[in-house]
Amino acid sequence: VQLVESGGGLVQPGRSLRLTCAASGFTFDDYAMHWVRQAPGKGLEWVSSITWNSRSIGYVDSVKGRFTISRDNATNSLYLQMNGLRPDDTALYYCAKGSVIVAGVFDSWGQGTLVTVSS
Amino acid sequence: DIVMTQSPDSLAVSLGARATINCKSSQSVLSRYNNNNYLAWYQQKPGQPPKLLIYWAYTRESGVPDRFTGSGSGTDFTLTISSLQAEDVAVYYCQQYYSTPIFTFGPGTKVDIK
Repeated sequence: VQLVESGGGLVQPGRSLRLTCAASGFTFDDYAMHWVRQAPGKGLEWVSSITWNSRSIGYVDSVKGRFTISRDNATNSLYLQMNGLRPDDTALYYCAKGSVIVAGVFDSWGQGTLVTVSS
Repeated sequence: DIVMTQSPDSLAVSLGARATINCKSSQSVLSRYNNNNYLAWYQQKPGQPPKLLIYWAYTRESGVPDRFTGSGSGTDFTLTISSLQAEDVAVYYCQQYYSTPIFTFGPGTKVDIK
């Protein structure tokens, strides 16, 4: 299993970014996928999840209405569209794969992509 | 939403000694449907992504050493490292997956060598 995040960077408050997670080494469209973030020196915060067929999606309250998760099973890609970014969105964003046992267990993680929101 | 808390915030344990980390959920994560506790534990070493250790509160992920043991039910859970090794220095997080598709992590417990 390999998960490679990209798309992070320095962005001004109020602007947008789109994160991408390129997945390989497993049958992508069999598994739920997740985004988890970690602010510098802080703990883990679950951000968003999407089932294999995109029919069930969830968001942490702090990003509802601003972030949109999506996936393209044809290209084995997971996305996170982040609009209206705020300084407290600054974090390392991890892509994680749901377990075959239960979707809500995160059994593989990428190395993360850093998002910095600052003027 | 289910809120997860952990105690202590940090602990220092001698090599070979036992380390115990507690996790509490604001509501039960025990399913009456299948009698499983929807609780996982992760280990995060410095500079690395988290690693899944345990799910269903006590089932070890493949390859996880048996010195890691999960226990508990309902709202109260424990991760025990029976004989601390140097490579176990890390932050440990519990996570509930009961309220799918909303998930929450505990704040983490840092484990160091005394």
